Amino acid sequence: DSGVTQTPKHLITATGQRVTLRCSPRSGDLSVYWYQQSLDQGLQFLIHYYNGEERAKGNILERFSAQQFPDLHSELNLSSLELGDSALYFCASSVKTEGPDTQYFGPGTRLTVL
Amino acid sequence: SQQGEEDPQALSIQEGENATMNCSYKTSINNLQWYRQNSGRGLVHLILIRSNEREKHSGRLRVTLDTSKKSSSLLITASRAADTASYFCATVPSYNTDKLIFGTGTRLQVFP
Repeated sequence: DSGVTQTPKHLITATGQRVTLRCSPRSGDLSVYWYQQSLDQGLQFLIHYYNGEERAKGNILERFSAQQFPDLHSELNLSSLELGDSALYFCASSVKTEGPDTQYFGPGTRLTVL
Repeated sequence: SQQGEEDPQALSIQEGENATMNCSYKTSINNLQWYRQNSGRGLVHLILIRSNEREKHSGRLRVTLDTSKKSSSLLITASRAADTASYFCATVPSYNTDKLIFGTGTRLQVFP
């Protein structure tokens, strides 16, 4: 158990809908990262937040957005869902005070868009 | 794509044998990390090697890094059935240490 929690574990929804994925980092970790894992794209970095501020963006679609709240939990919002958004979505956390360090991954949310 | 490549894509061995996986990447890096993923579950961090290091050991794991060739290898010695998983290398690029760029992964199957 990494100490990172994600809810829900599974999510089934229809095209065009909007969903919110939630991540609680390990106690004391200030950084939260979001990743998407799909069969055709592999593991893709989406976005990184540090202590409430966006630090880096990867291959994140404009239909997707994220935020990190004062209690350091993070949410990833996916809107106007398409079939191709079906994937495993992971969040990870790290202490990250200076420089890169080890990221601890949550169990993931499996999103199925029908 | 920024994504690194791993080789082989899949590897099957018997328990007790060694498994070697290779990773190539494209940009200058700050460090390179290896992760394990069991069947669609979360990733587990195995080892981190910094750009100024050439080799690192952790238990049955040995990682090498050749920055001139932009490549790394992960060796698992005396493999066990429990090592069956997918293994990913991930790089932290020098130009942006707030990202982690994953390779395509190697699926390792260890037969008892």
